[in-house]
Amino acid sequence: GESVGLHLPTLSVQEGDNSIINCAYSNSASDYFIWYKQESGKGPQFIIDIRSNMDKRQGQRVTVLLNKTVKHLSLQIAATQPGDSAVYFCAENPYGNNRLAFGKGNQVVVIP
Amino acid sequence: DAGVTQSPTHLIKTRGQQVTLRCSPKSGHDTVSWYQQALGQGPQFIFQYYEEEERQRGNFPDRFSGHQFPNYSSELNVNALLLGDSALYLCASSLQGASNEKLFFGSGTQLSVL
Repeated sequence: GESVGLHLPTLSVQEGDNSIINCAYSNSASDYFIWYKQESGKGPQFIIDIRSNMDKRQGQRVTVLLNKTVKHLSLQIAATQPGDSAVYFCAENPYGNNRLAFGKGNQVVVIP
Repeated sequence: DAGVTQSPTHLIKTRGQQVTLRCSPKSGHDTVSWYQQALGQGPQFIFQYYEEEERQRGNFPDRFSGHQFPNYSSELNVNALLLGDSALYLCASSLQGASNEKLFFGSGTQLSVL
């Protein structure tokens, strides 16, 4: 089947290193942000979310940073593993009510 | 506890035909949203159904329509298919009014229009 991720910005990272994926969002009205991971042939899988009243949130091996001043979101993955290879999307909710607007995505390739 | 399920997984149609895609939400969820994902792009919001009514709609033509059933499952219909409708169609479910706005996605239906 076709692979999501063609023509996307690609981050190649050595297994065990940390990864940082960046995202610029567009709407100042957004108050909720999510990072999704999408593997080939699958739907987006929730990784971590953050509300606009926070600037940092940590999960298991992942951290999301939010800078509302410059409308920037980042995802940090600690000790990247081969299973982390995927396309990563940030999403915002400028309209509320679970209607998300997605960014274009970043391909992460983990080198064993 | 089943997650979001979609059928079929793959579909091939020709221009001008009509297609119906199906989605069952995650157990306990009452709201279904549909997204279109073109190759190399992020998902684009089509519309959202709650209480069997279309509640929100993205920038898609009237050829795209939907339905939600009393059991919360949903269908997406596309009429007069165009080559540009070829994409991965994703269904996402959520709970209306929940403070956690997390969306759960299915694996999608890959539609190819020839």
